[in-house]
Amino acid sequence: QVQLQESGPGLVKPSETLSLTCSVSGGSIKKNHWAWIRQPPGKGLEWIGYISDSGNTDYNPSLKSRVTISIDTSKNQFSLTVLSLTAADTAVYYCARDYGSWGSRWFDPWGQGTLVTVSS
Amino acid sequence: QSVLTQPPSVSGAPGQRVTISCSGSDSNFGAGFDVHWYQQLPGTAPKLLIYGDRNRPSGVPDRFSGSKSGTSASLAITGLQAEDEADYYCQSYDTSLSAWVFGGGTKLTVL
Repeated sequence: QVQLQESGPGLVKPSETLSLTCSVSGGSIKKNHWAWIRQPPGKGLEWIGYISDSGNTDYNPSLKSRVTISIDTSKNQFSLTVLSLTAADTAVYYCARDYGSWGSRWFDPWGQGTLVTVSS
Repeated sequence: QSVLTQPPSVSGAPGQRVTISCSGSDSNFGAGFDVHWYQQLPGTAPKLLIYGDRNRPSGVPDRFSGSKSGTSASLAITGLQAEDEADYYCQSYDTSLSAWVFGGGTKLTVL
């Protein structure tokens, strides 16, 4: 079955750029959509955006100006870049498969998550 | 404040039935978008529990059931077990926000 694993720095300075990668194993990254979701410590979940295997993207309007999601099908990986970090971006970042059809899309499975702390 | 409103907490004794509500609006459930539910055990990633309003993925016990009517949805758990103690989140799409959204989450305590 499909498994996902996030990787990237655990600590980033304010105003810097965050880059995270999600590695997909147990299945192909093709013919699927993939998403990034984050969860600030002790708080709820926030959808960041998604990418299709062909590179089509959609982002949460609240983050759109600072976020880019890309995909490398040859490596079975997709990535997240967040610009101009502030303390409010401190969160556990999850990657997940975005599944379903228009009107009914859900996230399954999820990676284990990686904690990113924004601090000087 | 999420556009999908959940109670912050619910509780129940082992063996009992509990329900978790998720209140939406005309811009999400009322617009025809499905609700999905996730269970997040302490210190772990969320896990899909219900998709498409009422469908259980393989491996999810039939003690968990989902329903939706109008602009409200609910998750019911019967035969409550200690291992059900977790945070539960509903999820849908909101046309006013143009984003996939989650409820604020409900912490289930098994007494």
